[in-house]
Amino acid sequence: DGGITQSPKYLFRKEGQNVTLSCEQNLNHDAMYWYRQDPGQGLRLIYYSQIVNDFQKGDIAEGYSVSREKKESFPLTVTSAQKNPTAFYLCASSILTAGELFFGEGSRLTVL
Amino acid sequence: AQSVTQLDSQVPVFEEAPVELRCNYSSSVSVYLFWYVQYPNQGLQLLLKYLSGSTLVESINGFEAEFNKSQTSFHLRKPSVHISDTAEYFCAVSDYNNDMRFGAGTRLTVKP
Repeated sequence: DGGITQSPKYLFRKEGQNVTLSCEQNLNHDAMYWYRQDPGQGLRLIYYSQIVNDFQKGDIAEGYSVSREKKESFPLTVTSAQKNPTAFYLCASSILTAGELFFGEGSRLTVL
Repeated sequence: AQSVTQLDSQVPVFEEAPVELRCNYSSSVSVYLFWYVQYPNQGLQLLLKYLSGSTLVESINGFEAEFNKSQTSFHLRKPSVHISDTAEYFCAVSDYNNDMRFGAGTRLTVKP
């Protein structure tokens, strides 16, 4: 089955630690995205990538980093510089032009 | 850039009653419009989309939305809701560059 796989689903970390969230897709989509979801705020774009080895900052990129070494993979690192990292993180992919987004099941990060 | 306003954060309704979830957008260019549904602790799933053509679009589970350019709206409706429709619903707008913006979400609660 084609789709997007995010892991882990739940993650607990101590304050000051970097954490990396995995996102893999087998839909052969060119574009991949990371969103952060907080209650009552909808989805906010962190980073997106339209092609391998290239990515752009979204609206709330501070404290996050990404890489796109392979078309299928777009991992997100939440660094210790992110002031409020506890949130639900969603990865998505799409065809490049005017396409709907396909979402993974999400990763819930809790920083203790 | 485009933006989306979902006018109701919560909508409680009784089973078999009609429902309307309101969405307004702003944009200086032509847009594509989407409704996504999210069940607890899951990713978003596409409910329906407007890309071009007929302004009334329908989903397979009885929802419909009408694109109204003059009122810049894309309200979601269902004539008779079921308990299983309880979820959070997100309206989204995208331009030709796939810059997708989401509303804050509307939590639909269907009561027996």
